[in-house]
Amino acid sequence: DTEVTQTPKHLVMGMTNKKSLKCEQHMGHRAMYWYKQKAKKPPELMFVYSYEKLSINESVPSRFSPECPNSSLLNLHLHALQPEDSALYLCASSQGAGNKETQYFGPGTRLLVL
Amino acid sequence: QKEVEQNSGPLSVPEGAIASLNCTYSDRVSQSFFWYRQYSGKSPELIMSIYSNGDKEDGRFTAQLNKASQYVSLLIRDSQPSDSATYLCAVDMIYNQGGKLIFGQGTELSVKP
Repeated sequence: DTEVTQTPKHLVMGMTNKKSLKCEQHMGHRAMYWYKQKAKKPPELMFVYSYEKLSINESVPSRFSPECPNSSLLNLHLHALQPEDSALYLCASSQGAGNKETQYFGPGTRLLVL
Repeated sequence: QKEVEQNSGPLSVPEGAIASLNCTYSDRVSQSFFWYRQYSGKSPELIMSIYSNGDKEDGRFTAQLNKASQYVSLLIRDSQPSDSATYLCAVDMIYNQGGKLIFGQGTELSVKP
């Protein structure tokens, strides 16, 4: 089973709202990732958690705040977003965060910021 | 030079033909290479991973890796209209912190019935 789940599927929010995206996996993976994908572009890495610790932050603005409450869950807290933050947000997981680790993607949350 | 380069396409092939998708990468010591398929509006789905020089076959898909030429390709035999999607090449570059995949821009494949 290589299932990564994400909620919600779609989210519309205003620039003053606070919302959270959730990601869950039950494959025993110890690395989890957040990506942002704009239309017709490849996924762009935002954050990597390895063994529940933040290991990579790709200079993401502070209006995006990741959280890894346990090895199965990953959240992305959103606050004061801009319209240009509208995108597909993808969560992925892998067994570890080393080389040769296959990343499995969830279905994504399509975010629209008004 | 981009770290991972793909022809953006679109690549159009007739049903039943072989589709050939190409990818080059800049870091000679990269070790892990992945092909993902992404249907419009969906998330990337792993097609194949390859780590050693040579060919790796899985059903109608064959990945080919040539580390000396820094080149990885994906062949799709007996292409079907359901193969129409964007194919993303991803490379795990050793000089990066673990877990950072570098994606190419993707090649859009269209299989015509």
